[in-house]
Amino acid sequence: SQQGEEDPQALSIQEGENATMNCSYKTSINNLQWYRQNSGRGLVHLILIRSNEREKHSGRLRVTLDTSKKSSSLLITASRAADTASYFCATDVGAQKLVFGQGTRLTINP
Amino acid sequence: NAGVTQTPKFQVLKTGQSMTLQCAQDMNHEYMSWYRQDPGMGLRLIHYSVGAGITDQGEVPNGYNVSRSTTEDFPLRLLSAAPSQTSVYFCASRPGTAHVNEKLFFGSGTQLSVL
Repeated sequence: SQQGEEDPQALSIQEGENATMNCSYKTSINNLQWYRQNSGRGLVHLILIRSNEREKHSGRLRVTLDTSKKSSSLLITASRAADTASYFCATDVGAQKLVFGQGTRLTINP
Repeated sequence: NAGVTQTPKFQVLKTGQSMTLQCAQDMNHEYMSWYRQDPGMGLRLIHYSVGAGITDQGEVPNGYNVSRSTTEDFPLRLLSAAPSQTSVYFCASRPGTAHVNEKLFFGSGTQLSVL
């Protein structure tokens, strides 16, 4: 089964609202990363949070990490139509392997 | 820099045919990898390489071969294509191998259909 699992699988909100998606994982990690994928394109790195960090910000993105619960959340504030995409969390599972979750499909409605 | 370049973008094969998906990066990255993406399955690691001459298996290596003769190139070979290999394939690289605390740079993908 997948190391990382995102929740929800799909999310539809109005432009300007905040979007929150969650990621749970099974094993201990060194870091957790979030990526975005626009339809039909490759993934783009958004943010990395290390296991000794609890929260990190980048522009309108806020990521939290709770290693005791083995979970992370990605918050996108003041959403825009351009944020419509799939979002994936990824965790390192040992030497040189980065494992991705199944993704959350986010739709921003104008 | 072009980044990570994958060719072809689309390919249709018949069962049993062989082909090579090309991946090249111009960022002098040590680490390169191949993923496949299937609906509802996320991305799964096929093979990866930590430098020229060094490759290793990921989660789903069966049916695929790789080699790394140069730092720049990391081709993925399908020896005898099967319908189960219908997928979108992504190549990704990152600068170093000492830490996994580094982001991956992705190519734009190859959409493969095996009939």
